[in-house]
Amino acid sequence: AQSVTQLDSQVPVFEEAPVELRCNYSSSVSVYLFWYVQYPNQGLQLLLKYLSGSTLVESINGFEAEFNKSQTSFHLRKPSVHISDTAEYFCAVSGGATNKLIFGTGTLLAVQP
Amino acid sequence: DGGITQSPKYLFRKEGQNVTLSCEQNLNHDAMYWYRQDPGQGLRLIYYSQIVNDFQKGDIAEGYSVSREKKESFPLTVTSAQKNPTAFYLCASSRGVDQPQHFGDGTRLSIL
Repeated sequence: AQSVTQLDSQVPVFEEAPVELRCNYSSSVSVYLFWYVQYPNQGLQLLLKYLSGSTLVESINGFEAEFNKSQTSFHLRKPSVHISDTAEYFCAVSGGATNKLIFGTGTLLAVQP
Repeated sequence: DGGITQSPKYLFRKEGQNVTLSCEQNLNHDAMYWYRQDPGQGLRLIYYSQIVNDFQKGDIAEGYSVSREKKESFPLTVTSAQKNPTAFYLCASSRGVDQPQHFGDGTRLSIL
């Protein structure tokens, strides 16, 4: 069975500081990995994905994540955060025939001025 | 613009009442999904459908029902058998296996 662990329920950080949101997964099959972002009272938006190829994937707004198979991790990083990055971030894993997404419990990124 | 539309945005249910949440997509996606979101628990899969006229139970299907009569539509009914229906419900779709899922803006269901 697949599972996803997001160790931090909340990460407070000052504006322009770097941030890392941690995600670890377990799976017995090859996986696809995703980060989604959710702003208050909205649905989830895909931030970035790892399907295959380069282990470092980037989003258009400065986030990046690295797939580390040996550590079964897919941590999300940004070198300098903005107030507008305040949101909840979900890591998810899928694999197999059904494309069922298994979500972590989410990490609230709280950017302070 | 293509996307997923969920309605209504807010919904109230009386005791013993069934309510139906609408989900429509114009992305021409084959697969559609319903999730339930509770604070601190992430998202849990209720039902999913990979093709018209077929759907499968997810992890928490009890007290819910769905239909998939058209490719564009995947309504979710919350029945009176669901004893704790208060939650944020999210609908998603994808082109198929190994493709990312796209989400609607959700419906917040509360009990009167």
